[in-house]
Amino acid sequence: AQTVTQSQPEMSVQEAETVTLSCTYDTSESDYYLFWYKQPPSRQMILVIRQEAYKQQNATENRFSVNFQKAAKSFSLKISDSQLGDAAMYFCAYRSPNYGGSQGNLIFGKGTKLSVKP
Amino acid sequence: ETGVTQTPRHLVMGMTNKKSLKCEQHLGHNAMYWYKQSAKKPLELMFVYNFKEQTENNSVPSRFSPECPNSSHLFLHLHTLQPEDSALYLCASSQEGQGPYEQYFGPGTRLTVT
Repeated sequence: AQTVTQSQPEMSVQEAETVTLSCTYDTSESDYYLFWYKQPPSRQMILVIRQEAYKQQNATENRFSVNFQKAAKSFSLKISDSQLGDAAMYFCAYRSPNYGGSQGNLIFGKGTKLSVKP
Repeated sequence: ETGVTQTPRHLVMGMTNKKSLKCEQHLGHNAMYWYKQSAKKPLELMFVYNFKEQTENNSVPSRFSPECPNSSHLFLHLHTLQPEDSALYLCASSQEGQGPYEQYFGPGTRLTVT
């Protein structure tokens, strides 16, 4: 079974600085999808960025980028120019594709709580 | 309304009550999900509906009963709950059939069982 590990329960970053959140996963599949979700204190879970395993290029969305290392099964999230609004829980998630009639499910890590200091 | 909506946002109920949580998605997706989020635990997938058919039930106690009348609406019926069922209940939807299978979440219902 697939597992997702976020080894940093809490992280802190100074406003305008850069921070990297770690995520590793375990799978025997070669085709899958990875996501980072953000959950601010208001609790709405928001998709931040996604990465298809077949793509070698790291995904980027504005100030958010990932470092996807397929062989190492690592999927870290880098937040550049951190802002106060980036303070939230960040969840890494793994999804296998659908095979035949079987639907893959989203598997989440335990999350990393990010604080941003002014 | 846009995205995924959930009502109510907060619910306090006694152990003998019966209540229902409602979720509606306005994204044209064909799959919907219920998750339970407790403090210091990973999100727990409870139920999956794909094209209105339940495809997953992760050993959820029978005091939780899902209902999916169509691909846009999902309910979670609650009865005789226990205090340990207090949690944030999240609904999500996705478009299945072809990747990347992104799930979009509602704001959640904060449930407190007294």
